[in-house]
Amino acid sequence: GQNIDQPTEMTATEGAIVQINCTYQTSGFNGLFWYQQHAGEAPTFLSYNVLDGLEEKGRFSSFLSRSKGYSYLLLKELQMKDSASYLCAVNGGGSYIPTFGRGTSLIVHP
Amino acid sequence: KAGVTQTPRYLIKTRGQQVTLSCSPISGHRSVSWYQQTPGQGLQFLFEYFSETQRNKGNFPGRFSGRQFSNSRSEMNVSTLELGDSALYLCASSPGTGGPHEQYFGPGTRLTVT
Repeated sequence: GQNIDQPTEMTATEGAIVQINCTYQTSGFNGLFWYQQHAGEAPTFLSYNVLDGLEEKGRFSSFLSRSKGYSYLLLKELQMKDSASYLCAVNGGGSYIPTFGRGTSLIVHP
Repeated sequence: KAGVTQTPRYLIKTRGQQVTLSCSPISGHRSVSWYQQTPGQGLQFLFEYFSETQRNKGNFPGRFSGRQFSNSRSEMNVSTLELGDSALYLCASSPGTGGPHEQYFGPGTRLTVT
């Protein structure tokens, strides 16, 4: 089976930096995705990690450590529009279908 | 490219009825996956269709079924609806070959069972 854990809720201040962690246990590993989902909307793709290390994309960065079963999403220069749910999703070995965590609800306040 | 579309967007049904939801993937995508999203359980995988065949299946009862047509459009059916089936149903498309790809989600169908 697969198990993915991430915090339920986080709060942060506009302009700050926040790190959202994700730990996973899977049978095999074929990549990890982060998605953003605003209330009432569909999830949208943010990042994909398959090798260890940091992937940077503008204000968002994602890190992966396969040996530790750990990833984080780093959001810099937070804006009010970053208030959303952030979903960690892992592709187990041999699968095209990711297993999603329950998501972390991020609240950005002024 | 046009995005993933789902119809209808909202649906209200009575317990015991059945419902059919439709999903049109991005042009060229052959994989369509269906998910159920609820506040308590998050995003749960129902099944995936690729080239008209169910390729992967989640842990849902047989009341949940689906199919895919030759143009890659997919339908999902839920029979004998229960109150607990109230949820947002999302479909997502991807190429389906060449390794894992990001999933492109449709706007979802909000199903309410009364």
